[in-house]
Amino acid sequence: GDSVTQMEGPVTLSEEAFLTINCTYTATGYPSLFWYVQYPGEGLQLLLKATKADDKGSNKGFEATYRKETTSFHLEKGSVQVSDSAVYFCALSSTELSFGAGTTVTVRA
Amino acid sequence: GAVVSQHPSRVICKSGTSVKIECRSLDFQATTMFWYRQFPKQSLMLMATSNEGSKATYEQGVEKDKFLINHASLTLSTLTVTSAHPEDSSFYICSAVKGQINTEAFFGQGTRLTVV
Repeated sequence: GDSVTQMEGPVTLSEEAFLTINCTYTATGYPSLFWYVQYPGEGLQLLLKATKADDKGSNKGFEATYRKETTSFHLEKGSVQVSDSAVYFCALSSTELSFGAGTTVTVRA
Repeated sequence: GAVVSQHPSRVICKSGTSVKIECRSLDFQATTMFWYRQFPKQSLMLMATSNEGSKATYEQGVEKDKFLINHASLTLSTLTVTSAHPEDSSFYICSAVKGQINTEAFFGQGTRLTVV
């Protein structure tokens, strides 16, 4: 079945540092790929998405590119802020929804 | 964007009682809704997939008699935790999909259930 493998956390960074969270997937067909974010005490929110190969999703300074050749959708941000502290989930949608394990990111001032 | 409303956001109940959680898609028809459970510091665990007008499909290890799911209409799915116990305390999240499965899922705000 479909699956998502996500970099394990926790990840602790200083403000203005570069953030990368790796995500790779296994799926049949042509899935859509997503990054969701969960801020402390809140539900899930869509951060960005890409629906086909080579698409780049971007939002709030975060980016991820749908790489079919490497079956990856790595999340990046060039300069993180304290407010980016959250849990990030990589997700795949084809015949079903599949989530990665989540990566807890803590940004220190 | 589409809105999914989940209610209540927090509930505390006594052991042995039942709790119903509602998930509504406010501005679209959701043929499929999903229920997830999230343990502290862990990922989302899919509990069941709910299709309007049919029985829910439960994931392995999820007790269907314990977690009753009803998807009575295209805009409402409910999860009832029956005879709740402290180990059922968790964060429950629903999501709904518009149309085809291969599209964005919209999430409810989540329900923090505490069983005392």
